[in-house]
Amino acid sequence: EVQLLESGGGLVQPGGSLRLSCAASGFIFNNYAMSWVRQAPGKGLEWVSAISGSGDNTYYANSVKGRFTISRDTSKNTLYLQMNSLRAEDTAVYYCVKEPVAVGPGWFDPWGQGTQVTVSS
Amino acid sequence: DIQMTQSPSSLSASVGDRVTITCRASQNINSCLNWYQQQPGRAPKLLIYSASNLQSGVPSRFTGSGSGTDFTLTISSLQPGDFATYYCQQSCGTPPNTFGQGTMLEIK
Repeated sequence: EVQLLESGGGLVQPGGSLRLSCAASGFIFNNYAMSWVRQAPGKGLEWVSAISGSGDNTYYANSVKGRFTISRDTSKNTLYLQMNSLRAEDTAVYYCVKEPVAVGPGWFDPWGQGTQVTVSS
Repeated sequence: DIQMTQSPSSLSASVGDRVTITCRASQNINSCLNWYQQQPGRAPKLLIYSASNLQSGVPSRFTGSGSGTDFTLTISSLQPGDFATYYCQQSCGTPPNTFGQGTMLEIK
């Protein structure tokens, strides 16, 4: 069974940093692209970043470009999102998602349970 | 970037009703359109991929159709567990893989 388990969320002050992790299991990790999707309180879904199966290609939403970095560690079957210069508008639940191919884009399935990031002083 | 517009934003219906949600893309996305269901407090769940393909385990009362710029999600006979928020998402070309703003389906 494919499983994605996020961790690393929490409360951080504006301008601070946080690194999210997503532990993947049940599939050959480097055969699939992965993405992060977020959802602000009471709002809709926003795609944040994607990375190809090899890790060679990365993509970012304009809202996080230059502040967030996506990466993956095949030896640990783990996806990461390094978030720097955090702003109040980055407050959201962050979901890790698997794509159906090595080089996206594609649909998102499955989704992790999400990890809450709150940016506040 | 490709913009996705869903309608309606909210919808009230009764158990047993047939409902249709529409999604319009700002440019041609062929069949690169996916639908998700999100229950309150839960992660979204994939229902339909590539416009009309039913994800494994999803009941057959959910159907997707359309191509190009106009797409629909139809639920043939609403069940209590179907009251949720539904999102469309385009997955053509390079990211961003934009989502529609969502349609909240409520019990009448």
